[in-house]
Amino acid sequence: DAGITQSPRHKVTETGTPVTLRCHQTENHRYMYWYRQDPGHGLRLIHYSYGVKDTDKGEVSDGYSVSRSKTEDFLLTLESATSSQTSVYFCAISYRGEGNSPLHFGNGTRLTVT
Amino acid sequence: GQQLNQSPQSMFIQEGEDVSMNCTSSSIFNTWLWYKQDPGEGPVLLIALYKAGELTSNGRLTAQFGITRKDSFLNISASIPSDVGIYFCAGPRGYGSGYALNFGKGTSLLVTP
Repeated sequence: DAGITQSPRHKVTETGTPVTLRCHQTENHRYMYWYRQDPGHGLRLIHYSYGVKDTDKGEVSDGYSVSRSKTEDFLLTLESATSSQTSVYFCAISYRGEGNSPLHFGNGTRLTVT
Repeated sequence: GQQLNQSPQSMFIQEGEDVSMNCTSSSIFNTWLWYKQDPGEGPVLLIALYKAGELTSNGRLTAQFGITRKDSFLNISASIPSDVGIYFCAGPRGYGSGYALNFGKGTSLLVTP
């Protein structure tokens, strides 16, 4: 068990509305990540965090923002949701915070933007 | 970031058959990782490889770190229905990426009894 809880597990929202997804970890790891998974694209990095208030962009960050005010929580916000952001979102943590360290994933949030 | 090309995209096999899939990178890796994703869940680490030529097993699964450091292979022997899922290869994104991983697009495995 990676000690990661994502909420909500499912959400349906309308185009143009703001949405915040939450990732909570119980083990005080420094590095946290948000990925999205889409058919034909695999898993793509949206944003990552390397500590409280320290975040950076991944390869598909447009339209997303993140915040990390506490070690245990990493929030992903869609300021104005679009249909192209319909996806499954995964949070991950790095246990060791090293270059060859595996990531461990939560069970995802399925977001549908209508 | 590095491109990871994973093949095949999907496989439809009968229970008991062996399975092989592979992943190639556009650049050299020092780590190769293999994950499995069950429906409705997040990817779970199966095998981690850290050295060129390394061969590592996890039950019926065997993975190899290619000698060129640009490829890796995953084999599943005597497949069973619970092997169904999506298998991903992954490698480090590189410097300045917060130790994030790049993933292949996955191999979807279906096993019929």
